[in-house]
Amino acid sequence: GIQVEQSPPDLILQEGANSTLRCNFSDSVNNLQWFHQNPWGQLINLFYIPSGTKQNGRLSATTVATERYSLLYISSSQTTDSGVYFCAVVASGTYKYIFGTGTRLKVLA
Amino acid sequence: ETGVTQSPTHLIKTRGQQVTLRCSSQSGHNTVSWYQQALGQGPQFIFQYYREEENGRGNFPPRFSGLQFPNYSSELNVNALELDDSALYLCASSPGGGNYGYTFGSGTRLTVV
Repeated sequence: GIQVEQSPPDLILQEGANSTLRCNFSDSVNNLQWFHQNPWGQLINLFYIPSGTKQNGRLSATTVATERYSLLYISSSQTTDSGVYFCAVVASGTYKYIFGTGTRLKVLA
Repeated sequence: ETGVTQSPTHLIKTRGQQVTLRCSSQSGHNTVSWYQQALGQGPQFIFQYYREEENGRGNFPPRFSGLQFPNYSSELNVNALELDDSALYLCASSPGGGNYGYTFGSGTRLTVV
């Protein structure tokens, strides 16, 4: 089955810093979403981005489907950005989301 | 527009018991998926329902079963609970068979003792 790897696994930033999170996947995909899981466990949808580039405030994402990767950019990080970021993909010809290994982000005040 | 709501938020059960978790999908969403997330890991797909029919299942034993109702709300039932079933159970809904992304609920944290 499709493999989804995220890097880095852990990241500590000072408030105000920028960061790039990466998601690599081993096969072609129909869907791709980035989620932020807050300390209470809720998965918050950041982007639905099977291809192309999107921006929402301080966050933006780019998926290059032909090269099988996606990037999530966080600018001017805030302490509320802390949590785990997951990339999830649906492989072509399938129906279920496969989640990546996650990036655990901690933003220090 | 309401999001995905799950109940209960927390639950403690004894090994061998049965549990039912509930999910109300977002308005207009006809597809519901259930995921299990063990501590420190990513969510794992359990199964998916589309217009009241199961249309996909992950690597979970038959004691994990589900239902989707005409209003597209859903239930996850787990029989003969085991200690390893302790996890966060997440429900997600989508408007078009999953082709437009999913919205997740806050989850039910199940502890089996």
